[in-house]
Amino acid sequence: SYELTQPPSVSVSPGQTARITCSADALPKQYAYWYQQKPGQAPVLVIYKDSERPSGIPERFSASSSGTTVTLTISGVQAEDEADYYCQSADSSGTYVVFGGGTKLTVL
Amino acid sequence: QVQLVESGGGLVKPGGSLRLSCAASGFTFSDYYMSWIRQAPGKGLEWVSYISSSGSTIYYADSVKGRFTISRDNAKNSLYLQMNSLRAEDTAVYYCARGSVMASSYFDYWGQGTLVTVSS
Repeated sequence: SYELTQPPSVSVSPGQTARITCSADALPKQYAYWYQQKPGQAPVLVIYKDSERPSGIPERFSASSSGTTVTLTISGVQAEDEADYYCQSADSSGTYVVFGGGTKLTVL
Repeated sequence: QVQLVESGGGLVKPGGSLRLSCAASGFTFSDYYMSWIRQAPGKGLEWVSYISSSGSTIYYADSVKGRFTISRDNAKNSLYLQMNSLRAEDTAVYYCARGSVMASSYFDYWGQGTLVTVSS
């Protein structure tokens, strides 16, 4: 089955830049999306179509893609950014939705 | 504003059935793909199924194919998930989520989820 690979955890100090990667073979052909999930809450879309930011999402959230890897970047990390982050895409046919395993961002 | 409210979760024995509902408001429900996504306790997100705006296109994850049925009633602005032959590994919070107009693609609004527990 098709998989998106994320690191289990990333740690940064407040004010630093956090980078979370997501890798899969079909990413050059399919858009990637990113969600933030805080404990006990539903996920929130923070990036769509590889690098677009929905209204209401702070500008410190950005994303980029290079080959089979997409990267979520959070600049000037704040304590409130501590959460689980999930990438999402589709298989090469575009039919089946796939989520990455999630990355726990810890703000030290 | 867009609202998605799930209901129907609960405790069910292995092999049992449950029907989840999702009431949508604040947007033209009949224009959008809709999905069910689940999250087992302490685990990551797992896509379960999606249905096109008209209901003509439906896909399931392999883990639920043949056991779960997604449907929608555009007149009632409602999404459903009929879950049969439930297993312990189906225990999860089930989220209803809005896709896009053209495809399932991404999910811009999510409900708060309903917990399904499969246990004897």
